[in-house]
Amino acid sequence: AQSVAQPEDQVNVAEGNPLTVKCTYSVSGNPYLFWYVQYPNRGLQVLLKYITGDNLVKGSYGFEAEFNKSQTSFHLKKPSALVSDSALYFCAVREFTGGGNKLTFGTGTQLKVEL
Amino acid sequence: NAGVTQTPKFQVLKTGQSMTLQCAQDMNHEYMSWYRQDPGMGLRLIHYSVGAGITDQGEVPNGYNVSRSTTEDFPLRLLSAAPSQTSVYFCASSYSYREDYGYTFGSGTRLTVV
Repeated sequence: AQSVAQPEDQVNVAEGNPLTVKCTYSVSGNPYLFWYVQYPNRGLQVLLKYITGDNLVKGSYGFEAEFNKSQTSFHLKKPSALVSDSALYFCAVREFTGGGNKLTFGTGTQLKVEL
Repeated sequence: NAGVTQTPKFQVLKTGQSMTLQCAQDMNHEYMSWYRQDPGMGLRLIHYSVGAGITDQGEVPNGYNVSRSTTEDFPLRLLSAAPSQTSVYFCASSYSYREDYGYTFGSGTRLTVV
C-alpha cells in the first residue's frame, strides 16, 4: 500500500529565509508525487508535480521540490520565504493501479512565515 | 468555468439524520472522488468514481454511499450521521484517471454532527 509521511506538523521560518517542508513516501511501483497547498477555508491547489524526468521540479509561486529515489523523499523548498506563503502544505503520492488511481495524502505541515 | 462546486458549505446535523453532500464539476472530468479532512490525519479517501455508473470504495467508506449517474455529479450520502463523521469534506475531480493529471478540488463542506 502506498503511504506518505510528513514528519513536521509545523514549520516556522522568518521572511526572506529559505524554507524546506519534508516528505517521504512509500509506493511499490513508480511514484507520481505532488505538493498541494491549502489556504484557510479553501480547497487544495496543486503547487507542483513529479511524473518523470528531471529530479528537480519547479512549481508555482517560486516553490520547487527534489525527487530523491534512493531516499524516497520529495522535499518542498523555496529560496526566500514570504509571509503570504503561510498555509497548510500536503505531500501526496499517486500510483496508477489500473482500476482508477488514488491519491494518498500526508498529514500536512503548517508553514508559518513571520516578519 | 465554475470548476468543482460543493454544496452546502456548512451543515449541522443531529445524530441519526441523513443528508447528501453535493458535488458538481463542469470540466467533463472522468474521475471524481470524495475525501474527508481531519486534524492530524490529512485527507482520507472515502469513495471514488472513474466514470458515470462506476464507483468504488476508498480508505474510509463506512457510513457513506455514492452514485455517479452523470459525468458532472457525484453526491455523497450520509445514511445515519454520527459524531465521528464531523469533518471537512472535499470533492476532487480529474480529467482522467491517467497518472499525469492533477486533481481539482472544491472549496469543501464543513459538517458538524451533534
